[in-house]
Amino acid sequence: DAGVIQSPRHEVTEMGQEVTLRCKPISGHNSLFWYRQTMMRGLELLIYFNNNVPIDDSGMPEDRFSAKMPNASFSTLKIQPSEPRDSAVYFCASSLIGGGNQPQHFGDGTRLSIL
Amino acid sequence: GENVEQHPSTLSVQEGDSAVIKCTYSDSASNYFPWYKQELGKRPQLIIDIRSNVGEKKDQRIAVTLNKTAKHFSLHITETQPEDSAVYFCAAHSGGGADGLTFGKGTHLIIQP
Repeated sequence: DAGVIQSPRHEVTEMGQEVTLRCKPISGHNSLFWYRQTMMRGLELLIYFNNNVPIDDSGMPEDRFSAKMPNASFSTLKIQPSEPRDSAVYFCASSLIGGGNQPQHFGDGTRLSIL
Repeated sequence: GENVEQHPSTLSVQEGDSAVIKCTYSDSASNYFPWYKQELGKRPQLIIDIRSNVGEKKDQRIAVTLNKTAKHFSLHITETQPEDSAVYFCAAHSGGGADGLTFGKGTHLIIQP
């Protein structure tokens, strides 16, 4: 079975540029989560969707970050304009809806470097 | 919101010995506690989870215990092997409306041959 698929795996870009990260959840999963991982702050929840609807975006660091889920099989996380402090590994995870106590399965992540 | 503390940050054990990683949480409404293993450069992988209506769960060499009164839960790995070397994260989900997980800072487990 295909797991959560993220692209690109690596992204290096200069500050000020727009960055778009992509995620395809596991087929049949109807909750999707975006996390960010850094050495200093660990794994942090940015935003999550239930049935394509954003439910909680309180973890999104600032207005430069935005996320969409136009359909059940695709989500994007966009940073515009990007800054060096946005450098991190961004993970997407999916699960069945279950009040949050359903196992979440992670993609391989996107390693983002902003120069 | 939920706060999860994890200890120790680094744990070194001899191959064949047991390893224990401990986490505490702050929200008494939390009801789901997964553990993830992350190898260098890889994604976090779910290895075991426990719900608040259960005190202990075991899967081969891995077990998790939960003490709701004290608000702490632990991961136990017995007969450790070199492939157990990784960073382990505990997490908690609060029983409120939010579905996301709050993660501990991770434990780097090193298995000495």
